[in-house]
Amino acid sequence: ETGVTQTPRHLVMGMTNKKSLKCEQHLGHNAMYWYKQSAKKPLELMFVYNFKEQTENNSVPSRFSPECPNSSHLFLHLHTLQPEDSALYLCASSQEASHIQYFGAGTRLSVL
Amino acid sequence: GQQLNQSPQSMFIQEGEDVSMNCTSSSIFNTWLWYKQDPGEGPVLLIALYKAGELTSNGRLTAQFGITRKDSFLNISASIPSDVGIYFCAGRTNFGNEKLTFGTGTRLTIIP
Repeated sequence: ETGVTQTPRHLVMGMTNKKSLKCEQHLGHNAMYWYKQSAKKPLELMFVYNFKEQTENNSVPSRFSPECPNSSHLFLHLHTLQPEDSALYLCASSQEASHIQYFGAGTRLSVL
Repeated sequence: GQQLNQSPQSMFIQEGEDVSMNCTSSSIFNTWLWYKQDPGEGPVLLIALYKAGELTSNGRLTAQFGITRKDSFLNISASIPSDVGIYFCAGRTNFGNEKLTFGTGTRLTIIP
């Protein structure tokens, strides 16, 4: 148990669906991250929030829309995804943006 | 952008054997981290290194921050079945930089 909880653990959606991924951290951290993990590729940083402000958008397509209502919660809203978006989506948090990151267990997303 | 070359990509060893893996970069890194990812889970931090030449142990795991600051090594002694998983290196180029660069991982399999 890393203190970072992601739901759902698995999600199957069609290309026309809208869904959201949720991440909650119980560590009192101030920075939160979304990563995409595809097979045989390094983890790809998608978004960074520091003190609820988005500080990094790593050229992510607009069909991925993050939301950080407070320092403990992070969402990733999904709409009109493509099959190549199927991957493991990992959330992480750190005390501050430059500190060690702790990961959740991820959401395994399949887009049909 | 920065890339981390991690090798080997996969290892098949017998229980009790020692394991060595490494990560190299063309850029200088000021922080090196080693994570392990079990199937269906997110990466878990094993060891963090902050100074060139630093050698740090965590139980049977030992990691070193290369003197050139462009590489890092992870050794596992007397492997056991629960060591199975994917090991990732990650690096940060500057203190205060929130972005981590991840390697592609080393998949460790233990043959009974």
